[in-house]
Amino acid sequence: AQSVAQPEDQVNVAEGNPLTVKCTYSVSGNPYLFWYVQYPNRGLQFLLKYITGDNLVKGSYGFEAEFNKSQTSFHLKKPSALVSDSALYFCAVRRNSGGYQKVTFGTGTKLQVIP
Amino acid sequence: EAQVTQNPRYLITVTGKKLTVTCSQNMNHEYMSWYRQDPGLGLRQIYYSMNVEVTDKGDVPEGYKVSRKEKRNFPLILESPSPNQTSLYFCASSSVRAGGMYTGELFFGEGSRLTVL
Repeated sequence: AQSVAQPEDQVNVAEGNPLTVKCTYSVSGNPYLFWYVQYPNRGLQFLLKYITGDNLVKGSYGFEAEFNKSQTSFHLKKPSALVSDSALYFCAVRRNSGGYQKVTFGTGTKLQVIP
Repeated sequence: EAQVTQNPRYLITVTGKKLTVTCSQNMNHEYMSWYRQDPGLGLRQIYYSMNVEVTDKGDVPEGYKVSRKEKRNFPLILESPSPNQTSLYFCASSSVRAGGMYTGELFFGEGSRLTVL
């Protein structure tokens, strides 16, 4: 079985400060890891993914995430938060082995950027 | 414009009245999937389809049916809705392979908020 944990229901950060949204995962074999963002009354939008290679992945809107295999983590980061970053963020994992395997999502973390 | 379109966006219905939520994508994606989003539970997969006429259960398939007769469409059917199916539903699609690489990321519709009284 595979799973994703997002330990914080909500993260508050002041505008201009760095932000981190945490994600840990459990999957057999090598993972594909994803971050998605959901704005109010909208569907989820893809932010970035880790497939293989460099552990630091850069994505949309200045976000990046670091894959740490030993800690089974894939934390989302941004050097300087914007008020417009306020949204719900989901981490997801898929097993990296033949065929299209099931994608498992975390429960989501609400990011609130305070002006 | 590449998109996944769901209809209806909002629906209030009563227990037992059959309903269908449609989903259509214009990206020629092989993979399509339905999720429900509930507070505190994140997104849970209901059904998915690897291609036309190929469907399989996700984590919470009870009370739902799907069909995939055409590549672009993947309707979700609630034969006899119950109040515990009140939720926000998302359809998503993905290309299984692109340029030889597994892309893997999902493209989501805008969601369908269903209330069953």
